[in-house]
Amino acid sequence: GENVEQHPSTLSVQEGDSAVIKCTYSDSASNYFPWYKQELGKRPQLIIDIRSNVGEKKDQRIAVTLNKTAKHFSLHITETQPEDSAVYFCAASGGGSNYKLTFGKGTLLTVNP
Amino acid sequence: NAGVTQTPKFRVLKTGQSMTLLCAQDMNHEYMYWYRQDPGMGLRLIHYSVGEGTTAKGEVPDGYNVSRLKKQNFLLGLESAAPSQTSVYFCASSQTGTALLFFGSGTQLSVL
Repeated sequence: GENVEQHPSTLSVQEGDSAVIKCTYSDSASNYFPWYKQELGKRPQLIIDIRSNVGEKKDQRIAVTLNKTAKHFSLHITETQPEDSAVYFCAASGGGSNYKLTFGKGTLLTVNP
Repeated sequence: NAGVTQTPKFRVLKTGQSMTLLCAQDMNHEYMYWYRQDPGMGLRLIHYSVGEGTTAKGEVPDGYNVSRLKKQNFLLGLESAAPSQTSVYFCASSQTGTALLFFGSGTQLSVL
């Protein structure tokens, strides 16, 4: 089955700096890569996703890049704000079961004012 | 429009007790899922369903059973709870053929 590795497990940045979280996946047939944000005590919520026919996608201060050859994808947050502090999960799905997500273990992002 | 609703929000069990977690969605989604979340482990798929009357095992199914008698409901059962099942449980749903998940608010389960 699919295996998703996520790094780093914790990330601390100063407000206004950029943050980058990286994930690798094992199944070359995977074709959908979402990112979820989970604030303390809340449910995971989708913040951005990318499909395998696209190399990069942006939405205001967040962007995701995908390198299918290397089987890795990354989340970029620019001009970080304290409200960006949360746990971020990457995930992958596709191949024979394109409706099942395999999640990374998460990154705790702390944005210091 | 409530989305995905889970009950209960909190529960404490003694080892060996049984319980059922209820998930309900009002988005007419075909697919439903149960995940567990443990510190440092991310979200792991327990069981899932691709339609009414169907269920399938996920990554960590042992010790759990599920049923999908109605399209809008997905039940997760623990027949004999163990301390290793202490976790936060999330239900999710998605439209047919997609993995764009909508999560419920979670159930914090403690097994003593």
